[in-house]
Amino acid sequence: NAGVTQTPKFRVLKTGQSMTLLCAQDMNHEYMYWYRQDPGMGLRLIHYSVGEGTTAKGEVPDGYNVSRLKKQNFLLGLESAAPSQTSVYFCASSYDGYGYTFGSGTRLTVV
Amino acid sequence: TQLLEQSPQFLSIQEGENLTVYCNSSSVFSSLQWYRQEPGEGPVLLVTVVTGGEVKKLKRLTFQFGDARKDSSLHITAAQTGDTGLYLCAPSGSARQLTFGSGTQLTVLP
Repeated sequence: NAGVTQTPKFRVLKTGQSMTLLCAQDMNHEYMYWYRQDPGMGLRLIHYSVGEGTTAKGEVPDGYNVSRLKKQNFLLGLESAAPSQTSVYFCASSYDGYGYTFGSGTRLTVV
Repeated sequence: TQLLEQSPQFLSIQEGENLTVYCNSSSVFSSLQWYRQEPGEGPVLLVTVVTGGEVKKLKRLTFQFGDARKDSSLHITAAQTGDTGLYLCAPSGSARQLTFGSGTQLTVLP
């Protein structure tokens, strides 16, 4: 049982480039989330999904887009990366919206 | 917007000592969760507390939810080096979203 898998684990982007972060879960969870973690800021919610085909904005959605075409996958896209998006990104899933299972993170640097 | 405060922000203790970390807010929560995050990994759920005044024990860790459901504490007895990590509290919000505090970074020295 893999749980929540994030790919890639590390990435360096140049300003203005685009990329997609993939999150996959094998627990048949309805709820999925994308957070970013910055020093001293804790975890901040970017976007979330309460089921296949649905997405919603979180606390810091600007500059990001998401899609949930399949229940097990939640994609986070950066259309035009900026240095302010340098962060560690965590995906999480949940059966009932309470207890979360997190992935191990993607470390993104935008230069 | 709820204000969530965790204290202390940093804590460094010797192995074998006891410690308590706190999670406080001005808002009332329906439930609250505690997570531990180790370097290079995602947070891992430790416990969920739901009822005001509730106390839950997980081996050497004791979690308490305040009577008014606005605060919570985590007490560790006889800390071990394996307890080192970032401890995060997360009250539940609407639409099944968790808001995380900025955490307490605990270092247990051998």
